Amino acid sequence: QVQLVESGGGVVQPGRSLRLSCAASGFTFGNYGMHWVRQAPGKGLEWVAIIWYDGSNEYYGDSVKGRFIISRDNSKNTLYLQMNSLRVDDTAVYYCAREGPVWPPALSVGMDVWGQGTTVTVS
Amino acid sequence: DIQLTQSPSTLSASVGDRVIITCRASHSLGTYLAWYQQKPEKAPNLLIYKASTLQSGVPSRFSGSGSGTEFTLTISGLQPDDFATYYCQEYNSYSRTFGQGTKVEIE
Repeated sequence: QVQLVESGGGVVQPGRSLRLSCAASGFTFGNYGMHWVRQAPGKGLEWVAIIWYDGSNEYYGDSVKGRFIISRDNSKNTLYLQMNSLRVDDTAVYYCAREGPVWPPALSVGMDVWGQGTTVTVS
Repeated sequence: DIQLTQSPSTLSASVGDRVIITCRASHSLGTYLAWYQQKPEKAPNLLIYKASTLQSGVPSRFSGSGSGTEFTLTISGLQPDDFATYYCQEYNSYSRTFGQGTKVEIE
């Protein structure tokens, strides 16, 4: 079935780096834009980053711009998030989510499949 | 950057009630707005996209409306399974923004 499975979370000290992975299965990964979305403890959803289906474009939320890098390997059906210079306020559950066409907006049908999340604690 | 403001932040309701959640945008979004439901310790679940299109498998008691800067999510006949937090999210730009969420609690 269609599935996204995140991994790579853990406890890390401030200033260090961590790489998250999101393994996709059950659909043609290379046809979909992908996102990372995070949720700090007790808080709402915060969009982190997007990468287009072919990796040609990527955009970031202001709080992670210049520190995080989103990437993908369509041959491995895997999405990544390289997190550098981690801060205490990066502590959150990190979800990957797929979106069909991400541009133009008229073609999008929202983030229709989500992973279960992986927890990152910066302390 | 686009800002999304949901109201109310918390809503107390009973089973069978009609519930309306509002999402206001700082800039016009056309109809490029989605709604998600999230239950504790679970990933969000897409309910509606393009402001009013029901995602496959979502019960018809959920409906969305609006365009431009004002949008609503309506739950007609609240069910026990609907007590959750709801988020709006825009996709009228290269980036994405979520509203701050509306928690629907049992009255």
